[in-house]
Amino acid sequence: SAVISQKPSRDICQRGTSLTIQCQVDSQVTMMFWYRQQPGQSLTLIATANQGSEATYESGFVIDKFPISRPNLTFSTLTVSNMSPEDSSIYLCSVRPTGAGNTIYFGEGSWLTVV
Amino acid sequence: AQSVTQLDSQVPVFEEAPVELRCNYSSSVSVYLFWYVQYPNQGLQLLLKYLSGSTLVKGINGFEAEFNKSQTSFHLRKPSVHISDTAEYFCAVSDRGAAGNKLTFGGGTRVLVKP
Repeated sequence: SAVISQKPSRDICQRGTSLTIQCQVDSQVTMMFWYRQQPGQSLTLIATANQGSEATYESGFVIDKFPISRPNLTFSTLTVSNMSPEDSSIYLCSVRPTGAGNTIYFGEGSWLTVV
Repeated sequence: AQSVTQLDSQVPVFEEAPVELRCNYSSSVSVYLFWYVQYPNQGLQLLLKYLSGSTLVKGINGFEAEFNKSQTSFHLRKPSVHISDTAEYFCAVSDRGAAGNKLTFGGGTRVLVKP
């Protein structure tokens, strides 16, 4: 398994501002993923964060809105830019640790409310 | 492309009664299958997974699921639920190929256990 820490755990943000969410893993992982869970909804993949290359974004998500950094094999950040109330969601970091048998683990999530 | 359908959005159940949560998937390739649980105000926790081998998979907290390839299903069961099982349950799939790190989620099933 993997221990995944996300910061902040919760925040209330003003419309038009940006917020960076951090994800720290207790072991080196090749791929990290960022998901969004809008209120009352299921999870949707935003992007895959690869170390040493640009993130790969899913349809409907763009780098200008959700820039991602992956400076090393244990850390990634997701920024939610120019926030609007529609960005109020839980943002979850997930990883597939080496030798984990194709299992993907999730952090506790960052609960953002945009007012 | 893959899709996951959880046939019940909400399942009320009395304490100590059995529960079954239904999950069907669609995929053009072979998949891995997962069930995750999200307790109120928490992140996602892996309940169980099917990667290969026996089609009956046992997970944590007394849950089990059965993979049925011909029916493309992966239903989750528990013979006797507790109040603490009140949560949202998500079925998810990933393909077995190079892109197999990405999860596609179903819409979730909210389980409410009543005393």
